[in-house]
Parts: sequence; structure tokens; C-alpha cells
Amino acid sequence: SQQGEEDPQALSIQEGENATMNCSYKTSINNLQWYRQNSGRGLVHLILIRSNEREKHSGRLRVTLDTSKKSSSLLITASRAADTASYFCATDTDKLIFGTGTRLQVFP
Amino acid sequence: EAEVAQSPRYKITEKSQAVAFWCDPISGHATLYWYRQILGQGPELLVQFQDESVVDDSQLPKDRFSAERLKGVDSTLKIQPAELGDSAMYLCASSLADKGYGYTFGSGTRLTVV
Repeated sequence: SQQGEEDPQALSIQEGENATMNCSYKTSINNLQWYRQNSGRGLVHLILIRSNEREKHSGRLRVTLDTSKKSSSLLITASRAADTASYFCATDTDKLIFGTGTRLQVFP
Repeated sequence: EAEVAQSPRYKITEKSQAVAFWCDPISGHATLYWYRQILGQGPELLVQFQDESVVDDSQLPKDRFSAERLKGVDSTLKIQPAELGDSAMYLCASSLADKGYGYTFGSGTRLTVV
């Protein structure tokens, strides 16, 4: 079962543009995490935001969390071709449940 | 940087055969997870261990899948017999027991059942 739904399913942008991905979930959470996955590889943890936090930054990444709307967004600023990957949100309750993912393509 | 080790990297097996995957988590990580990821979808949790104990295996198809972590360190996931629908990436992850830390994933085992 998958708790999170991500939007859009696919996103294509040019290098230098910003990319925004959204995640909606259904139940109360301890924290929400974002992961990146290059094709055919394992997942890499990007950032974790706790349920009592509203915004968090890490380098070119900005994550927001709205627990009242049960939603989160991931913003990648000044995107690069190397950012091309699938991005997943995952909600941490007693276990980590992943969303359906957003496939990001960044064109040089 | 510490890694989660998985083997084999790729596995092709015929349906009805048995297959096993191995995972060695990061040293000190008490919690270990097995996920299955079908192409184009997000990972689905199969089983969660805390040390050597199973915490959650509600999504594990127990008629054919089994998982163990005998000494609370490395873990094995087995499928017997394999079915065509089991073709997927099998991912292992580990984390510190304390909430608030991200999970570290291995590179996965790509299983193809023919």
C-alpha cells in the first residue's frame, strides 16, 4: 500500500529552472522524507522534515510541510542535468511508506 | 561513507525455482527493511526488523516469501517458489532505531523471473 501521492508524475524542465514536486498523504506522521532514485539504482535520502517543522533547506533543496493539509513540497532551485532522477516522498509513522514518485528530466 | 551491501546485483530465475537475496546493513543500525519496487512505482514495504525480531510483515506474501535476521545483523529474503509477478527490484534499507533519521538504501537486487 502507498500512502503518498505525488504530483506531477513527470516533469521536464531546462537547466537553470526550478522544479517543484508535491506530495499528499493520508494519516498523521512523525516526519516526512524525500528520496532521490537514479534509474535502476537504490534510493538516496535527501532531506527529512519533522511534523512540527514547516520548512527546511538543504543546499538547493527546499521542503515545506503543511500538516493541516497533509501535504509537502520539494523545490529544487537552479536545476542541473545531473538532477535528472525520480523523486519520492515517504511518510514515517511506525514504518516508512513511499509515494508514487515524480520523474524529473532536466535538459541541458 | 558507510553503505548497505546487497547481493546479488542481478538475478534471473525460472518460475517455480527458489531465490534468495542477502543484505548487510550499516553497522549499528538496529532497524532493517526489505522493500519491493515494481518498475515505475514507489517501493513497497515487505518486512521490517528491529534487531532480530520482525516488527511488521503485514505486506509479506507469507505463502512464498520468508525473511530472517538471525543474529540481528545481516538478513536474507527468500522466495519459493518464484512467480512471474515477482519480477522487481528488491531493496534493503537500514536506519538507527531512533526516529528522525533517514534510511540508507542498498543498490538493490534486480530479479527477473522467466
